[in-house]
Amino acid sequence: KAGVTQTPRYLIKTRGQQVTLSCSPISGHRSVSWYQQTPGQGLQFLFEYFSETQRNKGNFPGRFSGRQFSNSRSEMNVSTLELGDSALYLCASSPTGATGNTIYFGEGSWLTVV
Amino acid sequence: GESVGLHLPTLSVQEGDNSIINCAYSNSASDYFIWYKQESGKGPQFIIDIRSNMDKRQGQRVTVLLNKTVKHLSLQIAATQPGDSAVYFCAENPPNSGGYQKVTFGTGTKLQVIP
Repeated sequence: KAGVTQTPRYLIKTRGQQVTLSCSPISGHRSVSWYQQTPGQGLQFLFEYFSETQRNKGNFPGRFSGRQFSNSRSEMNVSTLELGDSALYLCASSPTGATGNTIYFGEGSWLTVV
Repeated sequence: GESVGLHLPTLSVQEGDNSIINCAYSNSASDYFIWYKQESGKGPQFIIDIRSNMDKRQGQRVTVLLNKTVKHLSLQIAATQPGDSAVYFCAENPPNSGGYQKVTFGTGTKLQVIP
């Protein structure tokens, strides 16, 4: 069974641009969540989607958004990029997203903002 | 490979010894706790979990202990191997998550296994 797949793996963007990251969950998993990982703030929860609906959201500005498609694939978007948005963005999937579901992470997308 | 988290506490352990990684969690009402392992250049990997109605859970070579009185979690790794070298994160699912995942991660501990 294929794991969580994230694309692109690496990207460099300029301040003020926007970026879209993609995530394909494990087959059969309907919950997708996103995390940001930085040296200063560690791993922080961004949002979680299930059946195309956002169920939980972390403490990030509105520049960070996401969506989920009917096939459970998900995208996240960051608009008006800032230098501080440079991070590893991790996508994770689980069967239903209920507490107690094992969460499986992808390898992440490394975003550098210059 | 790449790594995130340049200023982590480090635990150095001799190969074959047992490792104990400690974690203080923040929310006394959290009901679910998880340990993850993150190797350089990879996403976090689930190791073991425990619910708040338990105080101990064992897996293969790993044991998680939960002390709710002092909001403390520990991960014990038996017979530590070089492949155990990684950053270890404890995580909790807080009560305001509506029963869904909104995992809060600790800062991480780097485990260095000395051959």
